[in-house]
Amino acid sequence: GENVEQHPSTLSVQEGDSAVIKCTYSDSASNYFPWYKQELGKRPQLIIDIRSNVGEKKDQRIAVTLNKTAKHFSLHITETQPEDSAVYFCAASPSGGADGLTFGKGTHLIIQP
Amino acid sequence: KAGVTQTPRYLIKTRGQQVTLSCSPISGHRSVSWYQQTPGQGLQFLFEYFSETQRNKGNFPGRFSGRQFSNSRSEMNVSTLELGDSALYLCASSLAPGELFFGEGSRLTVL
Repeated sequence: GENVEQHPSTLSVQEGDSAVIKCTYSDSASNYFPWYKQELGKRPQLIIDIRSNVGEKKDQRIAVTLNKTAKHFSLHITETQPEDSAVYFCAASPSGGADGLTFGKGTHLIIQP
Repeated sequence: KAGVTQTPRYLIKTRGQQVTLSCSPISGHRSVSWYQQTPGQGLQFLFEYFSETQRNKGNFPGRFSGRQFSNSRSEMNVSTLELGDSALYLCASSLAPGELFFGEGSRLTVL
């Protein structure tokens, strides 16, 4: 089955700087790659996703890039703000997200004031 | 529109007991999936149901089972509880392949 590795496990950045979280996946058939944000004590929520026919997608300060050849994808957050502090999970699916996701173990992003 | 509702929110069991968790998806969502969340392992996929059929299953022992009813509500059951089953169990529903809408979870503590 699919295996997703996520790095780093903890990332501390100064407010206003950029943050990058990287994930690799093992199943070359995977075609759907979402990112979820989980604030302390709250449920995970989708922040951005990308499908395999696209190399990059942006939504305001957040962007995701996908390299299918290398089987890795990354989350980029620019101009970080205190409310960006959370745990971020990447995930992959070979079925377009239809029947379950394989998640990475998460990255705890800390925004230093 | 109401979100995903999970019950109970908290429960404490002892080793060897069994537990049943319930999930009501967002109205109109026919896909329900379950995940186990622990500090060390993150979010691990348990199973996914669509129209009362289990379409996919994660790498968990047979003690973990689930079902979905005709109104899309779902239950998961864990039998012969072990200490390692202590976790937050999250249910998620979706309307179409893609975005999952998670519930607040059921936090299980096994003593």
